[in-house]
Amino acid sequence: QKEVEQDPGPLSVPEGAIVSLNCTYSNSAFQYFMWYRQYSRKGPELLMYTYSSGNKEDGRFTAQVDKSSKYISLFIRDSQPSDSATYLCAMIPRLNSGGYQKVTFGIGTKLQVIP
Amino acid sequence: DAGITQSPRHKVTETGTPVTLRCHQTENHRYMYWYRQDPGHGLRLIHYSYGVKDTDKGEVSDGYSVSRSKTEDFLLTLESATSSQTSVYFCAISGPGLYGYTFGSGTRLTVV
Repeated sequence: QKEVEQDPGPLSVPEGAIVSLNCTYSNSAFQYFMWYRQYSRKGPELLMYTYSSGNKEDGRFTAQVDKSSKYISLFIRDSQPSDSATYLCAMIPRLNSGGYQKVTFGIGTKLQVIP
Repeated sequence: DAGITQSPRHKVTETGTPVTLRCHQTENHRYMYWYRQDPGHGLRLIHYSYGVKDTDKGEVSDGYSVSRSKTEDFLLTLESATSSQTSVYFCAISGPGLYGYTFGSGTRLTVV
């Protein structure tokens, strides 16, 4: 069993829809959770990050963590064609003051927003 | 991808030839990483570096070597390229107090 499970999709939604992207994980040591967005033929870029359980909102994006269920979600409101990309969840057990991070990634979910 | 560049962006090479990919950063970060990304496997760590001349293996290091002679440069070498090493290679950096990585734009390598 992988440490982080993520449905690879693809997920196709109409413009304006609410999108829900999810990951489950098995390692209870994970405390920091991230979402990366990767456009086609580009490197992943950090979209959002959260610490421990709860919600974090940034514009049309909301990241949600439920540590009791080992489940994290990314919600996109009023989705736009420009949101079409692959979204990777990622997590780490702690922030290293020296900068080293052993990041565990999900496989990524490919999202297509249809105009 | 401010602060981190990879070269070349694309490379086609023949089986059995050596190949070197370059990663250059301007952020002065101590930690640098090489990943490969493949359909069905996602991102997998090849090697990482925690300082000049200090490197360690990741989960898929067989067939790869790395070198870091300067803080800003991290090289990935395929000693004798095989078709199974056809992939997209990403370099990443991480710094103190920052979440996750900053990735480069990637190198698309095809071994024929």
